[in-house]
Amino acid sequence: AQTVTQSQPEMSVQEAETVTLSCTYDTSESDYYLFWYKQPPSRQMILVIRQEAYKQQNATENRFSVNFQKAAKSFSLKISDSQLGDAAMYFCAYRSTGPGSNYKLTFGKGTLLTVNP
Amino acid sequence: DAGVIQSPRHEVTEMGQEVTLRCKPISGHNSLFWYRQTMMRGLELLIYFNNNVPIDDSGMPEDRFSAKMPNASFSTLKIQPSEPRDSAVYFCASSLWAGDISPLHFGNGTRLTVT
Repeated sequence: AQTVTQSQPEMSVQEAETVTLSCTYDTSESDYYLFWYKQPPSRQMILVIRQEAYKQQNATENRFSVNFQKAAKSFSLKISDSQLGDAAMYFCAYRSTGPGSNYKLTFGKGTLLTVNP
Repeated sequence: DAGVIQSPRHEVTEMGQEVTLRCKPISGHNSLFWYRQTMMRGLELLIYFNNNVPIDDSGMPEDRFSAKMPNASFSTLKIQPSEPRDSAVYFCASSLWAGDISPLHFGNGTRLTVT
């Protein structure tokens, strides 16, 4: 079974600075999808960014970008120019796509990001 | 697009009572997921449906839990009888299709407290 590990339970960053959240995963598959979700205090789960494993180019969404290292099974999230509204719990997630997979989306335990003014 | 709608937002019940959580997925989405979130275990997939058919219910913790999707616009998660350890936030999510990169759209969750 696939596992997703987020080694940083908590992180903090100064407003306008850059922060990187780590995520590693364990899989024997060659094709899969990776996601970062954000959960603010409102409890709503919000998609931040997504990446197909077959694409070498790192995904970017405005201030959010990823560093996808397939061989290392690493999928870190970089937040540039951090804003107070970025404060939330961030979850890394893995989805299988191969034949016989159940397309299950597996989440890491999350990283709580604090943004200091 | 109203998003995924879950009800109730909060539920407090006594041990032994039946609890029913409800979900309306986004119109046109073919896949529906039920997740449970706790501090100890994080986000766990309980069950998911494709085209109203349960595909994987291996995450359902016990026979006390059951889920149905009678049509494309409605699903329920029932716990009978409820126990204090069932206290958690239960999320419903839907996506266009389970097998591609289409993201899950989550509801606001139901916070269940069993006393």
